[in-house]
Amino acid sequence: DAKTTQPDSMESTEGETVHLPCSHATISGNEYIYWYRQVPLQGPEYVTHGLQQNTTNSMAFLAIASDRKSSTLILPHVSLRDAAVYHCILRLIASSSFSKLVFGQGTSLSVVP
Amino acid sequence: GGIITQTPKFLIGQEGQKLTLKCQQNFNHDTMYWYRQDSGKGLRLIYYSITENDLQKGDLSEGYDASREKKSSFSLTVTSAQKNEMAVFLCASRLGPNYAEQFFGPGTRLTVL
Repeated sequence: DAKTTQPDSMESTEGETVHLPCSHATISGNEYIYWYRQVPLQGPEYVTHGLQQNTTNSMAFLAIASDRKSSTLILPHVSLRDAAVYHCILRLIASSSFSKLVFGQGTSLSVVP
Repeated sequence: GGIITQTPKFLIGQEGQKLTLKCQQNFNHDTMYWYRQDSGKGLRLIYYSITENDLQKGDLSEGYDASREKKSSFSLTVTSAQKNEMAVFLCASRLGPNYAEQFFGPGTRLTVL
């Protein structure tokens, strides 16, 4: 399974734009890049995903490098509610068309007022 | 919208005991998953089910059984609880194997005495 590498932790201030990096140097052509986040005592929450093109939604902007070996989740104007562990994961597509999510340790983002 | 409910929220068992965790979803999703999360680590897939009465083993299925008697529910059984199984068990569902987003429940926290 292809793996991802993220910093263990990052800190930001309310209102800032945060860039969360993820390295996936061995990603294969049929793997999507997913981002989930998790706060204590809750299950992970889907943030966004992409394949090659940058994507944007109400939560975040996902920038994917042209060689797909890295990506950056960009959170504009973070608030205290954005403090969470952010997981960058790759979606593996098995022969049966079922795909599982392989989670790593993630980046713990703390936000201070 | 919908919701995933996991019961119980906290489960305390004795070493060697057989323990059952339950998951219900009202999204009408086809695919359901059981993951295990150890403290400070990512998720590992235990079992998944593509449809009612289907069961597929994940990476960590040894020591567990699962049951999908109907579309909305997916149960996980720890066949013989061990000390090293103190973890959070997360249930998730997705509309179908090729849909992007997995929705997670809040988790069941298992402690083995």
